[in-house]
Amino acid sequence: NAGVMQNPRHLVRRRGQEARLRCSPMKGHSHVYWYRQLPEEGLKFMVYLQKENIIDESGMPKERFSAEFPKEGPSILRIQQVVRGDSAAYFCASSPEKDTEAFFGQGTRLTVV
Amino acid sequence: AQSVTQLGSHVSVSEGALVLLRCNYSSSVPPYLFWYVQYPNQGLQLLLKYTSAATLVKGINGFEAEFKKSETSFHLTKPSAHMSDAAEYFCAVTRNNFNKFYFGSGTKLNVKP
Repeated sequence: NAGVMQNPRHLVRRRGQEARLRCSPMKGHSHVYWYRQLPEEGLKFMVYLQKENIIDESGMPKERFSAEFPKEGPSILRIQQVVRGDSAAYFCASSPEKDTEAFFGQGTRLTVV
Repeated sequence: AQSVTQLGSHVSVSEGALVLLRCNYSSSVPPYLFWYVQYPNQGLQLLLKYTSAATLVKGINGFEAEFKKSETSFHLTKPSAHMSDAAEYFCAVTRNNFNKFYFGSGTKLNVKP
């Protein structure tokens, strides 16, 4: 059983471009969580999704950021018109149920130049 | 509201010495507490968790942590440090074991030969 897979591992974007980060949860996991880790900081919750539903997006910036978890395929975190302050590591975690252990992926490190 | 404070962003110990990483929490409800380890450019790996059972929790790799309600603390210890313990350690709290974690800012552990 493969772990949580995130791709790409590293992503470089110029200011104003779009960034799309993908997360494939572990097999049998239908709950996905996205976290952002700014340099020298801990992880901050962004959004919690179940298949086709956003459950809690209280940590998502109000503009330019969106997330989805379609019925088929990976969860996608989309950042439009990236700015330098979006440079961070973005981690995805998945769990089979909302109150069971979540497993983290290796993260996508986004650099905005 | 939940929050976590980790005292000491960097801790350095000699190989074989005691490891003590500090974590204090604030929570408006009985907390669920976690310690995660992050190796460079890797995801987070769960070391141990407290979910209102025994106050002394044993984890992987010889680590343990004690939940002290009176001190609102959940410090991580290991009797004898190994070179392979060098990593960054994050304390986190959730409400009702729900996977919306509030992470501390992390402590980088350096182990000297």
